[in-house]
Amino acid sequence: DAGVIQSPRHEVTEMGQEVTLRCKPISGHNSLFWYRQTMMRGLELLIYFNNNVPIDDSGMPEDRFSAKMPNASFSTLKIQPSEPRDSAVYFCASSLEARPGGEQYFGPGTRLTVT
Amino acid sequence: AQSVTQLGSHVSVSEGALVLLRCNYSSSVPPYLFWYVQYPNQGLQLLLKYTTGATLVKGINGFEAEFKKSETSFHLTKPSAHMSDAAEYFCAVSGEGSGNTGKLIFGQGTTLQVKP
Repeated sequence: DAGVIQSPRHEVTEMGQEVTLRCKPISGHNSLFWYRQTMMRGLELLIYFNNNVPIDDSGMPEDRFSAKMPNASFSTLKIQPSEPRDSAVYFCASSLEARPGGEQYFGPGTRLTVT
Repeated sequence: AQSVTQLGSHVSVSEGALVLLRCNYSSSVPPYLFWYVQYPNQGLQLLLKYTTGATLVKGINGFEAEFKKSETSFHLTKPSAHMSDAAEYFCAVSGEGSGNTGKLIFGQGTTLQVKP
Protein backbone atom coordinates (compact mmCIF):
# COMPACT_ATOMS: atom_id res chain seq x y z
CA ASP A 1 0.00 0.00 0.00
CA ALA A 2 1.29 3.47 -0.83
CA GLY A 3 0.17 4.94 2.46
CA VAL A 4 -1.50 8.32 2.84
CA ILE A 5 -0.54 10.60 -0.02
CA GLN A 6 -0.43 14.36 0.30
CA SER A 7 0.27 16.99 -2.30
CA PRO A 8 2.01 19.26 -2.71
CA ARG A 9 4.82 18.51 -0.26
CA HIS A 10 5.84 22.14 -0.17
CA GLU A 11 3.83 25.23 -1.01
CA VAL A 12 5.00 28.82 -0.98
CA THR A 13 2.43 31.48 -1.67
CA GLU A 14 1.80 35.13 -1.13
CA MET A 15 -0.63 36.52 1.38
CA GLY A 16 -4.12 36.74 -0.02
CA GLN A 17 -3.77 33.84 -2.41
CA GLU A 18 -5.91 30.72 -2.31
CA VAL A 19 -4.17 27.52 -1.22
CA THR A 20 -5.49 24.01 -1.75
CA LEU A 21 -3.94 21.02 -0.02
CA ARG A 22 -4.78 17.53 -1.19
CA CYS A 23 -4.95 14.15 0.49
CA LYS A 24 -5.54 10.60 -0.67
CA PRO A 25 -6.23 8.27 2.26
CA ILE A 26 -5.29 4.62 2.40
CA SER A 27 -7.73 2.58 0.36
CA GLY A 28 -10.45 1.09 2.53
CA HIS A 29 -10.03 3.55 5.37
CA ASN A 30 -13.27 5.20 6.45
CA SER A 31 -12.00 8.07 8.60
CA LEU A 32 -9.86 11.01 7.54
CA PHE A 33 -8.26 13.68 9.71
CA TRP A 34 -6.61 17.03 8.93
CA TYR A 35 -4.01 18.36 11.39
CA ARG A 36 -1.88 21.48 11.56
CA GLN A 37 1.53 21.52 13.25
CA THR A 38 3.36 24.66 14.37
CA MET A 39 6.11 25.31 16.86
CA MET A 40 3.86 27.50 18.96
CA ARG A 41 0.70 25.40 19.07
CA GLY A 42 1.97 21.89 18.43
CA LEU A 43 -0.28 19.40 16.65
CA GLU A 44 -3.88 20.57 16.27
CA LEU A 45 -6.80 18.63 14.85
CA LEU A 46 -8.63 20.83 12.35
CA ILE A 47 -11.41 18.58 11.10
CA TYR A 48 -12.24 14.94 10.62
CA PHE A 49 -14.52 12.96 8.36
CA ASN A 50 -16.20 9.62 8.74
CA ASN A 51 -17.50 7.95 5.58
CA ASN A 52 -16.92 11.24 3.73
CA VAL A 53 -19.08 13.21 6.16
CA PRO A 54 -17.53 15.96 8.31
CA ILE A 55 -17.99 14.95 11.95
CA ASP A 56 -16.17 17.64 13.89
CA ASP A 57 -14.83 20.87 12.42
CA SER A 58 -14.44 22.69 15.72
CA GLY A 59 -10.70 22.91 15.19
CA MET A 60 -10.97 24.90 11.97
CA PRO A 61 -9.48 28.24 12.95
CA GLU A 62 -11.79 30.51 10.98
CA ASP A 63 -14.01 30.82 7.94
CA ARG A 64 -11.01 31.17 5.67
CA PHE A 65 -10.48 27.44 6.13
CA SER A 66 -12.71 24.84 4.47
CA ALA A 67 -12.40 21.11 3.88
CA LYS A 68 -14.20 18.71 1.61
CA MET A 69 -14.25 15.00 1.00
CA PRO A 70 -16.16 14.40 -2.22
CA ASN A 71 -15.41 10.67 -2.22
CA ALA A 72 -13.67 8.01 -0.18
CA SER A 73 -10.35 8.48 -1.90
CA PHE A 74 -9.85 12.24 -1.90
CA SER A 75 -10.01 15.22 0.42
CA THR A 76 -9.00 18.85 0.16
CA LEU A 77 -8.21 21.56 2.67
CA LYS A 78 -8.56 25.05 1.28
CA ILE A 79 -7.41 28.35 2.73
CA GLN A 80 -8.81 31.47 1.13
CA PRO A 81 -7.38 34.03 1.49
CA SER A 82 -4.15 32.83 3.02
CA GLU A 83 -2.28 34.79 5.69
CA PRO A 84 1.30 34.54 7.00
CA ARG A 85 0.06 33.06 10.28
CA ASP A 86 -1.25 30.07 8.32
CA SER A 87 2.34 28.98 7.70
CA ALA A 88 2.63 25.50 9.16
CA VAL A 89 2.91 21.84 8.27
CA TYR A 90 -0.46 20.33 7.45
CA PHE A 91 -0.92 16.59 7.93
CA CYS A 92 -3.61 14.30 6.69
CA ALA A 93 -4.23 10.99 8.44
CA SER A 94 -6.60 8.13 7.81
CA SER A 95 -7.99 5.36 9.95
CA LEU A 96 -9.56 2.04 9.06
CA GLU A 97 -12.69 2.59 11.03
CA ALA A 98 -14.26 5.15 13.29
CA ARG A 99 -13.68 3.79 16.76
CA PRO A 100 -11.68 4.70 19.84
CA GLY A 101 -8.36 2.92 19.79
CA GLY A 102 -8.12 2.93 16.04
CA GLU A 103 -4.68 3.65 14.67
CA GLN A 104 -4.25 6.72 12.50
CA TYR A 105 -1.82 6.59 9.58
CA PHE A 106 -0.23 9.90 8.75
CA GLY A 107 0.87 11.29 5.43
CA PRO A 108 4.22 13.05 4.98
CA GLY A 109 2.66 16.50 5.35
CA THR A 110 2.52 19.68 3.31
CA ARG A 111 4.80 22.49 4.43
CA LEU A 112 2.98 25.74 3.74
CA THR A 113 4.77 29.08 3.73
CA VAL A 114 2.72 32.22 3.27
CA THR A 115 4.80 35.35 2.65
CA ALA B 1 -12.49 16.47 28.65
CA GLN B 2 -9.49 14.36 27.84
CA SER B 3 -6.01 15.82 27.89
CA VAL B 4 -2.40 14.72 27.65
CA THR B 5 0.64 16.22 29.35
CA GLN B 6 4.15 15.34 28.30
CA LEU B 7 6.68 16.29 30.93
CA GLY B 8 9.76 17.80 29.35
CA SER B 9 9.73 19.28 25.89
CA HIS B 10 13.36 18.22 25.38
CA VAL B 11 15.15 15.15 26.69
CA SER B 12 18.82 14.46 26.06
CA VAL B 13 20.49 11.10 26.66
CA SER B 14 23.77 9.50 25.74
CA GLU B 15 23.89 6.68 23.24
CA GLY B 16 23.34 3.42 25.11
CA ALA B 17 21.56 5.08 28.03
CA LEU B 18 18.00 4.50 29.17
CA VAL B 19 15.32 6.52 27.44
CA LEU B 20 12.37 7.65 29.55
CA LEU B 21 9.72 9.95 28.09
CA ARG B 22 6.89 10.86 30.41
CA CYS B 23 3.20 11.09 29.59
CA ASN B 24 0.25 11.70 31.89
CA TYR B 25 -3.32 11.74 30.74
CA SER B 26 -6.70 12.85 31.98
CA SER B 27 -9.80 10.86 31.08
CA SER B 28 -13.08 10.06 32.76
CA VAL B 29 -13.44 6.81 30.82
CA PRO B 30 -10.99 4.00 30.19
CA PRO B 31 -8.51 5.52 27.79
CA TYR B 32 -6.86 4.25 24.68
CA LEU B 33 -3.26 5.47 24.68
CA PHE B 34 -0.74 5.89 21.91
CA TRP B 35 2.85 6.88 21.32
CA TYR B 36 3.80 8.25 17.93
CA VAL B 37 7.25 9.18 16.63
CA GLN B 38 8.06 11.90 14.11
CA TYR B 39 11.41 11.91 12.37
CA PRO B 40 12.57 15.16 10.78
CA ASN B 41 10.50 16.22 7.80
CA GLN B 42 8.24 13.18 8.05
CA GLY B 43 4.74 12.37 9.23
CA LEU B 44 3.92 10.66 12.50
CA GLN B 45 4.39 6.92 12.83
CA LEU B 46 2.79 4.71 15.45
CA LEU B 47 5.26 3.28 17.98
CA LEU B 48 2.78 1.43 20.16
CA LYS B 49 -0.70 1.60 21.61
CA TYR B 50 -2.63 0.43 24.65
CA THR B 51 -6.25 -0.55 24.29
CA THR B 52 -7.12 -3.25 26.82
CA GLY B 53 -5.43 -6.20 28.46
CA ALA B 54 -1.76 -6.31 29.34
CA THR B 55 -0.59 -3.01 30.75
CA LEU B 56 2.97 -3.35 29.44
CA VAL B 57 2.93 -2.73 25.74
CA LYS B 58 5.82 -3.44 23.41
CA GLY B 59 6.28 -1.47 20.24
CA ILE B 60 8.65 -1.09 17.36
CA ASN B 61 12.36 -0.28 17.59
CA GLY B 62 12.68 -1.69 21.11
CA PHE B 63 10.32 0.80 22.77
CA GLU B 64 7.76 -0.14 25.37
CA ALA B 65 5.28 1.68 27.58
CA GLU B 66 3.38 0.78 30.71
CA PHE B 67 -0.18 1.86 31.43
CA LYS B 68 -0.56 2.75 35.10
CA LYS B 69 -4.14 3.63 35.89
CA SER B 70 -3.42 4.66 39.48
CA GLU B 71 -0.86 7.18 38.26
CA THR B 72 -2.73 8.11 35.04
CA SER B 73 0.56 7.61 33.24
CA PHE B 74 1.81 5.98 30.08
CA HIS B 75 5.56 6.55 30.08
CA LEU B 76 7.67 5.43 27.12
CA THR B 77 10.97 3.64 27.72
CA LYS B 78 13.81 2.04 25.83
CA PRO B 79 16.69 0.32 27.64
CA SER B 80 19.45 1.55 25.34
CA ALA B 81 19.25 4.64 23.15
CA HIS B 82 20.50 4.59 19.61
CA MET B 83 21.44 7.59 17.53
CA SER B 84 18.59 6.78 15.17
CA ASP B 85 16.09 7.32 18.02
CA ALA B 86 16.57 11.07 17.82
CA ALA B 87 13.15 12.38 16.90
CA GLU B 88 10.04 13.99 18.34
CA TYR B 89 7.69 11.77 20.32
CA PHE B 90 4.00 12.37 20.86
CA CYS B 91 1.69 10.80 23.41
CA ALA B 92 -2.01 10.70 22.52
CA VAL B 93 -5.31 9.59 24.07
CA SER B 94 -8.73 8.72 22.71
CA GLY B 95 -11.88 7.12 24.01
CA GLU B 96 -13.99 9.76 25.66
CA GLY B 97 -17.18 11.33 24.46
CA SER B 98 -20.37 9.98 22.98
CA GLY B 99 -20.16 9.18 19.34
CA ASN B 100 -16.40 9.14 19.52
CA THR B 101 -14.92 8.23 16.20
CA GLY B 102 -11.28 7.75 17.02
CA LYS B 103 -10.38 11.36 17.52
CA LEU B 104 -6.95 11.64 19.13
CA ILE B 105 -5.83 14.25 21.63
CA PHE B 106 -2.07 14.76 21.34
CA GLY B 107 0.42 16.04 23.86
CA GLN B 108 2.81 18.83 22.99
CA GLY B 109 5.60 16.46 22.08
CA THR B 110 9.04 15.67 23.47
CA THR B 111 12.16 16.06 21.39
CA LEU B 112 14.67 13.32 22.11
CA GLN B 113 18.32 14.13 21.52
CA VAL B 114 20.84 11.29 21.56
CA LYS B 115 24.46 12.26 22.15
CA PRO B 116 27.32 10.08 20.94
